[in-house]
Amino acid sequence: DVKVTQSSRYLVKRTGEKVFLECVQDMDHENMFWYRQDPGLGLRLIYFSYDVKMKEKGDIPEGYSVSREKKERFSLILESASTNQTSMYLCASITNVGGTGELFFGEGSRLTVL
Amino acid sequence: GNSVTQMEGPVTLSEEAFLTINCTYTATGYPSLFWYVQYPGEGLQLLLKATKADDKGSNKGFEATYRKETTSFHLEKGSVQVSDSAVYFCALRDGGATNKLIFGTGTLLAVQP
Repeated sequence: DVKVTQSSRYLVKRTGEKVFLECVQDMDHENMFWYRQDPGLGLRLIYFSYDVKMKEKGDIPEGYSVSREKKERFSLILESASTNQTSMYLCASITNVGGTGELFFGEGSRLTVL
Repeated sequence: GNSVTQMEGPVTLSEEAFLTINCTYTATGYPSLFWYVQYPGEGLQLLLKATKADDKGSNKGFEATYRKETTSFHLEKGSVQVSDSAVYFCALRDGGATNKLIFGTGTLLAVQP
């Protein structure tokens, strides 16, 4: 069974802390994404990666960075968390080779910044 | 740029009622269109898709037809169940090799027994 696993379902952090959100996929997918989900705003793309060590900014990259050192792992980093980064974060992956065009999602990481 | 607009929720229905969730899009070319569903406490999962004009995607009793002339991809189901309660997202695949998806804002469906 294909799987995208996010390391933490729930996190509570304080303003100014550095936060790491980890995502691992076991499908050998080339492309990986980090989205942020907020009520009334839907999913907004933060960053994506189409290969190891490659990354591109999405629609709302400010305040975030990413790391992709291995194909299966894509990390989202909040260098200095702020209260407006309280949100649900969703990781996803998709293959570039064949496939059904389906984007596979993790279960999400709900981050609260106090 | 490309975008997706879907009807705002919440949509509250009684069991066995007919469901329509409207979705329209703006895009250059002919994007692939998707409906994703998010059940409570879970991530998103693909519900159905259509890759070209007049295609009909279907799954679990849900259907949506890719209408190029009206740039729409409305989701329908003839008889909803309590277990269909979820958030539904319409999406289109942006062009290029990165397979980016652009999502609508989501529509919460609540089905009451």
